[in-house]
Amino acid sequence: EVQVLESGGDLVQPGGSLRLSCEVSGFTFRSYAMSWVRQAPGKGLEWISAISSSGNTTFYADSVKGRFTISRDNSKNMVFLQMNSLRAGDTAMYYCAKDAREVGLFDYWGQGTLVTVSS
Amino acid sequence: DTVMTQSPDSLAVSLGERATINCKSSQNLLHSSNNKNYFAWYQQKPGQPPSLLLYWASTRESGVPDRFSGSGSGTDFTLTINAVQAEDVAIYYCQQYHTTPPTFGQGTKLEI
Repeated sequence: EVQVLESGGDLVQPGGSLRLSCEVSGFTFRSYAMSWVRQAPGKGLEWISAISSSGNTTFYADSVKGRFTISRDNSKNMVFLQMNSLRAGDTAMYYCAKDAREVGLFDYWGQGTLVTVSS
Repeated sequence: DTVMTQSPDSLAVSLGERATINCKSSQNLLHSSNNKNYFAWYQQKPGQPPSLLLYWASTRESGVPDRFSGSGSGTDFTLTINAVQAEDVAIYYCQQYHTTPPTFGQGTKLEI
């Protein structure tokens, strides 16, 4: 059974930093790309970042480029999202999602971790 | 970026009726090399993460009831839910994975 578990969400002040973690199990982690998708309160879904199976290639939405960094540790079945220079507009539930064989298609999602940016 | 536009924004149907949700893409999602539409539907029930319903526009994900069906090609797609059940109350999102960044529609809220 595939499991995806995010952690690290918290209340942080504007301009602050936070590191999200995502631990997965139930599939050959090193064979699949992984993504982060966020959802602001009461709003829709926004893809923000992806990382290739090897970790050599990363992708970012324009809204987070230069502020967020995605990484992975294939020895620990984990994905990370380092978030810097946080803004109120980054307040959202952050979901870690497994990409299917087709990158950008998300076949498993975690329950999410809530990031609140507020003073 | 590819813009995905869903209609309607919300939909109320009676139990056992059919629900139809449309999605229009600003770009052609049909890949000429394999004749596949890089298009998916997700369901998000209240308080839960999204879950994949259909991909390649019409292929049901494992475990998805056959009352859910998808159709369309190119830029226009439809999700049909036959004989709607109470458990189908959710927000439905369309999504393209043809180009990066993958983008979602704004969502359609299905109510009974």
